[in-house]
Amino acid sequence: GESVGLHLPTLSVQEGDNSIINCAYSNSASDYFIWYKQESGKGPQFIIDIRSNMDKRQGQRVTVLLNKTVKHLSLQIAATQPGDSAVYFCAEIAGGYQKVTFGTGTKLQVIP
Amino acid sequence: NAGVMQNPRHLVRRRGQEARLRCSPMKGHSHVYWYRQLPEEGLKFMVYLQKENIIDESGMPKERFSAEFPKEGPSILRIQQVVRGDSAAYFCASSPTGVSVNTEAFFGQGTRLTVV
Repeated sequence: GESVGLHLPTLSVQEGDNSIINCAYSNSASDYFIWYKQESGKGPQFIIDIRSNMDKRQGQRVTVLLNKTVKHLSLQIAATQPGDSAVYFCAEIAGGYQKVTFGTGTKLQVIP
Repeated sequence: NAGVMQNPRHLVRRRGQEARLRCSPMKGHSHVYWYRQLPEEGLKFMVYLQKENIIDESGMPKERFSAEFPKEGPSILRIQQVVRGDSAAYFCASSPTGVSVNTEAFFGQGTRLTVV
């Protein structure tokens, strides 16, 4: 079902450290997952995606891990930079008509 | 190729007025999604449209809200008789087909509606 509105949890990391952002999804039938980055005053921006038949996918400085057993996604950002400061959302897409359902989101603050 | 264009970026309406939010999808995209975002919250799905068709409006409030995506022109989200609770950021996304493993949805910058 839809996630209930909550104030965003915040993750503060030192510049240069690795960040791990976690997300629990709700629909076991979801077959595709996306991580989005949303900077202040802007729309969500695609970062990386993963199919449900995979458990790991790597991009440039980012890695997504999927654990279908516990319905959990994580986004790892290596060597976090000030420009990574934003809100990060996981999103799931179930089969059928391809509606994107967003999770609650996590605010990442990078400390210089 | 311009991205998804939403206008206006900011809209102020008095209670009881109508708000019309426009979304021009990327060139070649015939699928449009509308989302609402309250401050410090996630994006909540409202409606999914293809040209001239509403595919899924399960997230739309039953009253006062409507959406269209005509054959020509932008998609319009219309809110009649606005109330303060309608104040939010409204985002539009477009894709060439439905979102899938090989098809990404691109988001606009949003329209921030303030009801006073």
